[in-house]
Amino acid sequence: SYVLTQPPSVSVAPGQTARITCGGNNIGSKSVHWYQQKPGQAPVLVVYDDSDRPSGIPERFSGSNSGNTATLTISRVEAGDEADYYCQVWDSSSDPVVFGGGTKLTVL
Amino acid sequence: EVQLVESGGVVVQPGGSLRLSCAASGFTFDDYTMHWVRQAPGKGLEWVSLISWDGGSTYYADSVKGRFTISRDNSKNSLYLQMNSLRTEDTALYYCAKVGRGGEYFQHWGQGTLVTVSS
Repeated sequence: SYVLTQPPSVSVAPGQTARITCGGNNIGSKSVHWYQQKPGQAPVLVVYDDSDRPSGIPERFSGSNSGNTATLTISRVEAGDEADYYCQVWDSSSDPVVFGGGTKLTVL
Repeated sequence: EVQLVESGGVVVQPGGSLRLSCAASGFTFDDYTMHWVRQAPGKGLEWVSLISWDGGSTYYADSVKGRFTISRDNSKNSLYLQMNSLRTEDTALYYCAKVGRGGEYFQHWGQGTLVTVSS
């Protein structure tokens, strides 16, 4: 089955840029979607189809995808961005929906 | 406004059965594929199952195949998950999720219902 690998944690100071990676075999050929989950809350879609943002998501959130790595970039990080972030793809092999293990973003 | 409200989560003994429900509103229910996604305490997201708009196609994660059954009643705008032969590792918060227009991502999530499998 397809595997997505995320770093367990990323730390960044307020106002700086956070980059959260999602690795997978030839992931650049797939569409990658990103979710933000704050403690005690359901996940929220922040980026879909590699780089599109749902309405209501700040422009500070952006995504890219190429080769074996997709990246969620959060510019001008705020304290309120502290959360767990998950990448997700659709895979036609075994389980059709695959999530990465999640990355905890800490704002220092 | 899209709303997804899960219910049915309880404490159940290993080997027991349970049926989860998800009441949907705010969108044309029978236009969309629906999914169940779960999250064990302190762990990440795990996809469980999906059902096509008309119920004609269903898919399951290997971890639940043969034990769980997904279904829907479009006349009641409701999604269900019948869970049999429950194991302690099925303990999790179960989310109902609606796909977006592209069909491959989850645009809306419920708040989840907690299933605890314990003796």
